[in-house]
Parts: sequence; structure tokens; C-alpha cells
Amino acid sequence: DGGITQSPKYLFRKEGQNVTLSCEQNLNHDAMYWYRQDPGQGLRLIYYSQIVNDFQKGDIAEGYSVSREKKESFPLTVTSAQKNPTAFYLCASSIETGRGGYTFGSGTRLTVV
Amino acid sequence: GESVGLHLPTLSVQEGDNSIINCAYSNSASDYFIWYKQESGKGPQFIIDIRSNMDKRQGQRVTVLLNKTVKHLSLQIAATQPGDSAVYFCAEKGGNTPLVFGKGTRLSVIA
Repeated sequence: DGGITQSPKYLFRKEGQNVTLSCEQNLNHDAMYWYRQDPGQGLRLIYYSQIVNDFQKGDIAEGYSVSREKKESFPLTVTSAQKNPTAFYLCASSIETGRGGYTFGSGTRLTVV
Repeated sequence: GESVGLHLPTLSVQEGDNSIINCAYSNSASDYFIWYKQESGKGPQFIIDIRSNMDKRQGQRVTVLLNKTVKHLSLQIAATQPGDSAVYFCAEKGGNTPLVFGKGTRLSVIA
């Protein structure tokens, strides 16, 4: 089945550590996205990528980094510079940035301990 | 499960009644709109979309209405069922920009 897979589902990070969240899709979509979701708020865009080896900052990129070395993969690193990283992180993909709806993964819950 | 939106607006409806969820969007240049449903601990699922050249679009048990004059979008769910309980988000975009999501509304169906 085609889809988008995020791993792990739950992730715990100690203060000062970097962690990387995985996102893989086999939908042959060109565009991929990372959103952050906090209680009481909608989804906020962290980074997005329209093609391989290219990505753009979203509204809340500070403290995060991404790479897009393969079409299928768009990992997100939450760095120690992110002051409030505890949140639910959602990855999505679409055919192109300007076309159609997004297919979302099932999310990763990151907690700082 | 995951707590999605502890302080979201909540709509409570009786099973079998119709539900109407409203959304005000901000960008008059937006030309594409989507409604998503998110159940606890899961990613959002596509429900229905509409382009700005339309006022209404119907799906299975769902209808989306678009009023560009007042920048308002609504989702109507007919004969609401317990399985419809979730958080619903509207999203908008214009041109080649990513989707921008609203804050969401929690729908609670009373059996």
C-alpha cells in the first residue's frame, strides 16, 4: 500500500540533545512538509521541500533542520536550540506544493525529559 | 491517545443530527480549501476540498460551502455518527504556497 510513514511514534529527548524524526513516503510525491501541533493550536509549518536537495523554512523553523537527499525521505532534526520541543510532529506529502491535498503520516510525539 | 487541542472550540451534537463546522480564513488570495479530520493520536485525514471558483461541493454525507465575500468556509455533516467525533481543521492555500491550517474544532457526538 502506498503511504507515508513516520517513526518512531513516541520519542523522548533529554535536555541539550538533538533528535531526528524519520519520514518516508512511497507515493512518488515531489513535495514534503513538516508541521508541529500543540494543544489548542492548529498545525504550524516548520519546513517544506518541493524537490530533492531543496527546502524552505516555514513559519517556525528556528531550532529545526531538515535534509532532502532522496525523494522518498524528509527527516527532521530537532536541535538543542529549540527551546520548547515537546509537541506532536506531523509529516505530509503532496504531488506538488501548489496542487492537491496532503497525505499525512501518523505523527511522532516528542517529549523532553 | 494523543491530546489534540485541549482548548479547542467544541461542537456537541446528537447522533443522527446534522453538524455544521465553521471556519474563517484570512487570505483573500487563497484559491483552494480543504477540510481535514483528525482522530486522537493520528494524522489528519482528507475529507473534502473546494476551489475558489465554486460555492458548494458535496461528498458522501459531507458538504463544503465557500463564501468568498466574507472569507468563510463551512463543513456540513449529515446524520452525524459517533465515528465522526474528532477534531476538524480547515486549510487554505493560494498559488504555489503550502497549506495554512486553522486552529480546529472538536466535534463531539452524543449517542
